Order: sequence, then C-alpha cells, then structure tokens
Amino acid sequence: AQRVTQPEKLLSVFKGAPVELKCNYSYSGSPELFWYVQYSRQRLQLLLRHISRESIKGFTADLNKGETSFHLKKPFAQEEDSAMYYCALSINQAGTALIFGKGTTLSVSS
Amino acid sequence: EAEVAQSPRYKITEKSQAVAFWCDPISGHATLYWYRQILGQGPELLVQFQDESVVDDSQLPKDRFSAERLKGVDSTLKIQPAELGDSAMYLCASSLRNTGRRAFFGQGTRLTVV
Repeated sequence: AQRVTQPEKLLSVFKGAPVELKCNYSYSGSPELFWYVQYSRQRLQLLLRHISRESIKGFTADLNKGETSFHLKKPFAQEEDSAMYYCALSINQAGTALIFGKGTTLSVSS
Repeated sequence: EAEVAQSPRYKITEKSQAVAFWCDPISGHATLYWYRQILGQGPELLVQFQDESVVDDSQLPKDRFSAERLKGVDSTLKIQPAELGDSAMYLCASSLRNTGRRAFFGQGTRLTVV
C-alpha cells in the first residue's frame, strides 16, 4: 500500500542551524512528491513539489528514488520557519488526491 | 488571492445528531476534495470530485457519511449520525484540472462530537 512516513514528530533547532525534515514513501510506480506547510493559525499550503525542482523560502527537496526519500532541507533555519510540515505523495492517475504523512513540527528558537 | 471557503469554522454536536459542512472552492477549480484530519495525524482523503462526479470515495464511511457537489461548484459533506470518533478537522481543498496536483486548502471545520 502507498504510504508516507515522517519519522520525526518534532524537530527543534536553533536559528541559523541547518534543517533536514525526513520523508520516506512507499510506492512502486512513478511518484509525485510534495511538501505542504501549515503556519500557526493559517491554512495548509503548498511549499514545494519535486517536479518543479524549485527552492522556496530557502527550502529544497530532492527526490531519491533509490532510497524512496524526499527530505526537506534548509541550510540556515529562521524563526519564521517554525511550523508543521507535511510530506505528501500523489499516485492517482485520473485525479490528484494526496497521501499525507503524519507531519513534523519544526521549532526554531533563537 | 482567491481562497477556498469553508463553514462553519467550528461545530459541536451531540452523538447521533446530524451535521453538515459546506465548502466553496476557488472559482474554476474542477477538482474538489474532502479530507479528514485527526489530531496528530496528516489529512486523509474522504472523497474527491471532478466537477459534479465522484472520482474516489473509497475511504468514505458510506453508512454515515455522504457528500455531494450537485452543480460542480460548492460541496456539502454530511454525517448522520455523528459518532464520538468523528471528532476531527474536516478540510476541503480544490485544484485546477491537470495542474500537477497543487491543491489549495480551506481553513477547515473543527468538529467536536460530545
């Protein structure tokens, strides 16, 4: 069955430290991977997707099909990065439903 | 920027009562989703519409849950009767057809069943 695993419930770092939020997926086909973010009292929103190979707010994520991973990285964390981060997998050919991981809370302190 | 609208924001209901949630997607978005998010978990798909047609409702507990999108625009999710285990955040999302999976989410309805 398709599954997304985010092993860390909480990741606490100091401002300026590097950040890596881990995401592993289980899917035998060709996946589409996403990172969604939810800041305090805001709605869930797309941060980035692997097909775009983009950097958003300093975050990047590379799809590693060999390790079935899509880890989110940022070299220097900022306090405003504190939020809940969800990794999501899309496998539906006809539609666009997402399978989410349980999420990781990132806490950046000064 | 256009947003997905949901109402109510909060709902408290007694078990065995009926409850309904409403969602208005971004104008022009053909695909609409209802997700349920239990505390401490990620969102889980309940039902997906393409225009007015159900594309996927495999995870919808059809004995008590129903969803409709009659004119292919706004949508209603109903629970009857509500059970204690239905307490959760109910999220609506929408996306353009064939946009590479980018979904825009509403703020959700927090349901508490007492």
